[in-house]
Amino acid sequence: EVQVLESGGGLVQPGGSLRLSCAASGFTFSSYAMSWVRQAPGKGLECVSVISGSGDSTYYADSVKGRFTVSRDNSKNTLYLQMNSLRTEDTAVYYCAKDATEQWRNWFDPWGQGTLVTVSS
Amino acid sequence: DIVMTQSPDSLAVSLGERATINCKSSQSVYSSNNKNYLAWYQQVPGQPPKLLIYWASTRESGVPDRFSGSGSGTDFTLTISSLQAEDVAVYYCQQYYTTPCSFGQGTKLEIK
Repeated sequence: EVQVLESGGGLVQPGGSLRLSCAASGFTFSSYAMSWVRQAPGKGLECVSVISGSGDSTYYADSVKGRFTVSRDNSKNTLYLQMNSLRTEDTAVYYCAKDATEQWRNWFDPWGQGTLVTVSS
Repeated sequence: DIVMTQSPDSLAVSLGERATINCKSSQSVYSSNNKNYLAWYQQVPGQPPKLLIYWASTRESGVPDRFSGSGSGTDFTLTISSLQAEDVAVYYCQQYYTTPCSFGQGTKLEIK
């Protein structure tokens, strides 16, 4: 069964840092791009970042560019999101999502259950 | 960046009746490979989004056939032909034509 499972969320003060992880199983991890999508409380979905299967290409939403870094360790089947200089507006559930096919530019399937990041003093 | 706009923001439909949700993109998501880079998801509270439709009209395996997608270019529609109680959720469209992707703001579907 194809699965992705996030971890690492929690409460952090404004200006602080946090690293999220996403453990993948049930598929050839290195063959698929992976994305982070977030959802602020009671709000819609925002594409945050995507990384290619090899890790050579990365893209970020303007709202996080320069503060967040996406990476992956294909030997550990794990995706990461390093979040620095966190702001209150970064408070959200962060979902890890797998690209549905091995081609670039995809819909997402499956999604993880999400991990909550709360930025507050 | 491509902006996705859904209408309406909320919708109340009687059981067994048709529900229609619209999605408009700020630029075309139709590619030279004759595909529209548009997906639909269903999200119930406390759960991650669930894929319903991709390539604008291809139903994901296991999704009931009362769900259908249509449209091309910049205008798309998700139709639920006969609303069931379990269809109460928020529905999102997503474009994957550009990177990073973008979602519509969501449409909340309720029972009338």
